[in-house]
Amino acid sequence: ETGVTQSPTHLIKTRGQQVTLRCSSQSGHNTVSWYQQALGQGPQFIFQYYREEENGRGNFPPRFSGLQFPNYSSELNVNALELDDSALYLCASSDSGGERETQYFGPGTRLLVL
Amino acid sequence: DAKTTQPPSMDCAEGRAANLPCNHSTISGNEYVYWYRQIHSQGPQYIIHGLKNNETNEMASLIITEDRKSSTLILPHATLRDTAVYYCIVRVSTGNQFYFGTGTSLTVIP
Repeated sequence: ETGVTQSPTHLIKTRGQQVTLRCSSQSGHNTVSWYQQALGQGPQFIFQYYREEENGRGNFPPRFSGLQFPNYSSELNVNALELDDSALYLCASSDSGGERETQYFGPGTRLLVL
Repeated sequence: DAKTTQPPSMDCAEGRAANLPCNHSTISGNEYVYWYRQIHSQGPQYIIHGLKNNETNEMASLIITEDRKSSTLILPHATLRDTAVYYCIVRVSTGNQFYFGTGTSLTVIP
């Protein structure tokens, strides 16, 4: 059983650029959630995808968008990058099937916007 | 928005039990309490979760008060590798979103 993987591990972009982050879910999991973690803060929920459809969204602007593919892997896209987008981006996968569902996190992608 | 309150930091002597408290006074009847920990900006690691009854696994024990307004995570014999930020989370009953607070930074002292 493989765990959650994310790529790339680190990324440097400049303000105004666009970025795509990738996540491969744990084997057997059909749900992926994305979080943003600023330095010194807890992770903040961005959105969740279940069976290729968005299934909930946190308080993030539309320039944060995502996709989920038939194999349940997922992408997070951020347009028009701002300095405050610098953070650790985490994805978590789960097997959506009830209230006892547990999310398993990947190692994260650290994004620096200059 | 986070529905939990935790102390910002705690120390524990190596080999002793670490007891991490969490208040969740607005928890609803069908909402679970989850605990995760995060070591040095790695991805959060799942520890344990529960609804009403106390739970135990190979990592920790979770004690939930009868009124469910608070809980305690117990690491029975803390080691230096348990130094981490511990997050207590109430999972919102609508959907599967986890709302993290700022957690408790636990330092295990030799």
